[in-house]
Amino acid sequence: GNSVTQMEGPVTLSEEAFLTINCTYTATGYPSLFWYVQYPGEGLQLLLKATKADDKGSNKGFEATYRKETTSFHLEKGSVQVSDSAVYFCALSDRAAGNKLTFGGGTRVLVKP
Amino acid sequence: DTAVSQTPKYLVTQMGNDKSIKCEQNLGHDTMYWYKQDSKKFLKIMFSYNNKELIINETVPNRFSPKSPDKAHLNLHINSLELGDSAVYFCASSPSLAGATRIQETQYFGPGTRLLVL
Repeated sequence: GNSVTQMEGPVTLSEEAFLTINCTYTATGYPSLFWYVQYPGEGLQLLLKATKADDKGSNKGFEATYRKETTSFHLEKGSVQVSDSAVYFCALSDRAAGNKLTFGGGTRVLVKP
Repeated sequence: DTAVSQTPKYLVTQMGNDKSIKCEQNLGHDTMYWYKQDSKKFLKIMFSYNNKELIINETVPNRFSPKSPDKAHLNLHINSLELGDSAVYFCASSPSLAGATRIQETQYFGPGTRLLVL
């Protein structure tokens, strides 16, 4: 079956620090990959996505590249802000299984001023 | 305008009660989903409907029954609530399944319904 593994948090950083959240996946097919973000007390928002190998998704200064050879989709941001404090979820979608999203366990990020 | 909306936002109820959560999307999407997020933030799909037809039905107790009166709505009814049902329930929608391009897989989530069973 499909699975997504991402680094456990919490990750605590100072403002303007570099952020990396590792995400690796296993899939039987050829999935699309996503990063979702959940701000405190809110729902899930799509942060970025990539649909094929070597695609780079980017949004709000965050980037992730679909690496088929390493089955990874690591999230990076060069300079974080306090407002980036949230829980980040890596996910893959499986079209063969009705477009079901399989999520990683989430990584809580806390950015301190 | 809210794209995917859920009501209620908070729901506190007693064990054994029956409750419903409603979801509506105004994006014109064909496919809708229910996910459950437990206290450790772990997210897992429960159901999905495509054009009112059940597509995904994960291993969920049959106390949970989804209903899709039209493709813009997917409601979740829960019978005989148990303590372990306490969670945040998220509704989501995506454009299409049949003949979908990769772009159409993207799911858009509602704000969640926080259910607490006492």
